[in-house]
Amino acid sequence: DAGVIQSPRHEVTEMGQEVTLRCKPISGHDYLFWYRQTMMRGLELLIYFNNNVPIDDSGMPEDRFSAKMPNASFSTLKIQPSEPRDSAVYFCASAPFSMSMGNTIYFGEGSWLTVV
Amino acid sequence: QQQVKQSPQSLIVQKGGISIINCAYENTAFDYFPWYQQFPGKGPALLIAIRPDVSEKKEGRFTISFNKSAKQFSLHIMDSQPGDSATYFCAAAYNNNDMRFGAGTRLTVKP
Repeated sequence: DAGVIQSPRHEVTEMGQEVTLRCKPISGHDYLFWYRQTMMRGLELLIYFNNNVPIDDSGMPEDRFSAKMPNASFSTLKIQPSEPRDSAVYFCASAPFSMSMGNTIYFGEGSWLTVV
Repeated sequence: QQQVKQSPQSLIVQKGGISIINCAYENTAFDYFPWYQQFPGKGPALLIAIRPDVSEKKEGRFTISFNKSAKQFSLHIMDSQPGDSATYFCAAAYNNNDMRFGAGTRLTVKP
């Protein structure tokens, strides 16, 4: 399997612009997660989906952030309008239907976002 | 959101030495405790994990020690190698889905 695929890998954008990050989870995985990583706050869970349905979005920092999962093989995280403090690495991850021992979250390589 | 406290923030160990990273949690509902290893420019990858019904799990040079009563767990890396240099994250999850990460420990193993 190709693993979790994220795009773009790197993006530099100007403050106020819309940013869309994309994710293709591992085929057959029922859970999809969006994390944000910064030096100050570490890895933060933003939102996760089960079978394309958002389950917990309590980690989404504010209304400027939104996430969708229109089907089992695609998800987006959108920031509109973007601000410099949104600069971070955004990770998408997926997990199989059952997270028993040995099954866990598989991360993509991340999307490095810089807002100037 | 930080429900798992991890220390130290950074660690320097000589080759062949033992690296020890500690984590503590508050939420007794957590029932799955993995450790992740992250190399620069990559996403975190599962290293080893434990459930609270056992006190220790060993996989090669990596061992998790778990103290349920103290709500603490630790990662021990025996015979540390320069290739082990990475950032290590402890994590805790409940309902098998909602996983919370520690702040990370940057390990440097000197040759």
